[in-house]
Amino acid sequence: EAGVTQFPSHSVIEKGQTVTLRCDPISGHDNLYWYRRVMGKEIKFLLHFVKESKQDESGMPNNRFLAERTGGTYSTLKVQPAELEDSGVYFCASSQLQSRPYTFGSGTRLTVV
Amino acid sequence: KQEVTQIPAALSVPEGENLVLNCSFTDSAIYNLQWFRQDPGKGLTSLLLIQSSQREQTSGRLNASLDKSSGRSTLYIAASQPGDSATYLCAFLTGGGNKLTFGTGTQLKVEL
Repeated sequence: EAGVTQFPSHSVIEKGQTVTLRCDPISGHDNLYWYRRVMGKEIKFLLHFVKESKQDESGMPNNRFLAERTGGTYSTLKVQPAELEDSGVYFCASSQLQSRPYTFGSGTRLTVV
Repeated sequence: KQEVTQIPAALSVPEGENLVLNCSFTDSAIYNLQWFRQDPGKGLTSLLLIQSSQREQTSGRLNASLDKSSGRSTLYIAASQPGDSATYLCAFLTGGGNKLTFGTGTQLKVEL
């Protein structure tokens, strides 16, 4: 089966610009998660979708971040406007059931300059 | 709030050596524990998953244990190989069962 796909793999943008990250989960996985790792820190949870609904968005840092999941398939994470501290690696994961092993994508490395 | 610590932060060993990576946690109310490896520039690969009711899992040269009473998990790698070089992360499923709490990782280098 195809894995979790994320693109772009890298993105370099200027402070104040907008960036949209995309994640395509494994087909049939209702649960989709976003995580991120900023420099020197551990990977942290951002939010969780069940199909197209946001189950938990307690990890979203502020209202500059907007996540959507169209029709319960792929998801996008938009950062607008981007700030320097948003730089890091953004991971997407999916699972069939909440407690089952997660499959992670390769991540998007975001650099805000 | 769950806090996860991994020791050591970095480890370098000669090929063939058996080694143990440690992970400690503060909240024993967990659903499960996963060990991941991350290769440079790549995503996270799930290695082993231990359910809360289990004590260990084995896959090939890897063995992971879970001791909730002491707040510890270990990942044992037998007969290490250069291909095992990567960052190893432990993560706990908590918070209603929908979010993973990660440790900071152990960067392993296996040398020829």
